[in-house]
Amino acid sequence: AQKVTQAQTEISVVEKEDVTLDCVYETRDTTYYLFWYKQPPSGELVFLIRRNSFDEQNEISGRYSWNFQKSTSSFNFTITASQVVDSAVYFCALSEAGDDKIIFGKGTRLHILP
Amino acid sequence: DTEVTQTPKHLVMGMTNKKSLKCEQHMGHRAMYWYKQKAKKPPELMFVYSYEKLSINESVPSRFSPECPNSSLLNLHLHALQPEDSALYLCASSQDWVQAGDEQYFGPGTRLTVT
Repeated sequence: AQKVTQAQTEISVVEKEDVTLDCVYETRDTTYYLFWYKQPPSGELVFLIRRNSFDEQNEISGRYSWNFQKSTSSFNFTITASQVVDSAVYFCALSEAGDDKIIFGKGTRLHILP
Repeated sequence: DTEVTQTPKHLVMGMTNKKSLKCEQHMGHRAMYWYKQKAKKPPELMFVYSYEKLSINESVPSRFSPECPNSSLLNLHLHALQPEDSALYLCASSQDWVQAGDEQYFGPGTRLTVT
């Protein structure tokens, strides 16, 4: 069965600090997809990144970076030089090829303090 | 343009009312979804439409009735709801069915309160 674990329920950091959000997944499939979504207080889920299981290259997009390691079944997300606007709930999610839905983790609520 | 729109933004309804939630996307996506999200929880899948046909119903009570009039529109008809149905209802769309691993784009949601 597929599963996504975000062990950090809530994190608070001071602005400009770096912060890493952890995501550990379980799947028996060799082909699967991993996602990160951001949900600010307004409620809309914003798509951040998609990775397939055959692409372990790390990705950097501005202050955001993702570390995908199949050996540890992890897909961690780092925000560098955090800003107050980064305050949100962040969801890691998994879907298996041929499956019919995305499994979301429980989310990590991130507070960036000014 | 990766925009999914939803109306209304807020809705308060009594348990005997009938109302509808609307969702629209103009990205040419062929899969559309309804999710329900309670406070401090992840979204829960309710329905999936693929190529305008209902593909998945996650055992949702019949007081929720989805409709896909065309490839750009998705409605959720509500009737005889219970207070526990109060939640944020999110619509999403993706290029193809989630089986293809496509990312989903979400609308801003409708915050529903059932009194």
